Amino acid sequence: NAGVTQTPKFQVLKTGQSMTLQCAQDMNHEYMSWYRQDPGMGLRLIHYSVGAGITDQGEVPNGYNVSRSTTEDFPLRLLSAAPSQTSVYFCASSRTGPMNTEAFFGQGTRLTVV
Amino acid sequence: ELKVEQNPLFLSMQEGKNYTIYCNYSTTSDRLYWYRQDPGKSLESLFVLLSNGAVKQEGRLMASLDTKARLSTLHITAAVHDLSATYFCAATSWSYGGSQGNLIFGKGTKLSVKP
Repeated sequence: NAGVTQTPKFQVLKTGQSMTLQCAQDMNHEYMSWYRQDPGMGLRLIHYSVGAGITDQGEVPNGYNVSRSTTEDFPLRLLSAAPSQTSVYFCASSRTGPMNTEAFFGQGTRLTVV
Repeated sequence: ELKVEQNPLFLSMQEGKNYTIYCNYSTTSDRLYWYRQDPGKSLESLFVLLSNGAVKQEGRLMASLDTKARLSTLHITAAVHDLSATYFCAATSWSYGGSQGNLIFGKGTKLSVKP
């Protein structure tokens, strides 16, 4: 039972490069989301999706794109990386509505932009 | 807009002592979560509180929720070193698509338990 799987675990990018952070879940959860964690800031919501084909912005969406073509996968794209995007990124999934009683988090991706 | 505030942000305790972490949230939220995070690790779910007056306990940790005061507490009883970690509370936000699972986090409380 893998839960939420994120890849890669570590990544170093140069300013202006693009990359995709992968997130997959095997629990058939409708809801998936991406957070970034910065020291002293807690976790902040970047984008979220309530089902395949449906995505929306969270608190800090600028510089990030997402898509949700399947229930299982929710990739996060950085089109032109900036040093301000150096952070730890967490993907989460959960059920929706009244059945949502727990959010499951991936192991995180530590991204450094130089 | 939902805001979540935790205090204290840093907490240094001696083993055997009791202490409480407070979590205030600014608008109506239908559930409150507590997570633990060890350095370099992901978030581990501790408690989910669903209704006013809810109290949950696991070992030396007890969480409660007062929706009227918009306050949740995480009480630590007779702390031990293994409890050293960062603790986050989070509430669901109606601002981003309703209670579909969007969590708004506090900044975390870094707990250090010293012998």
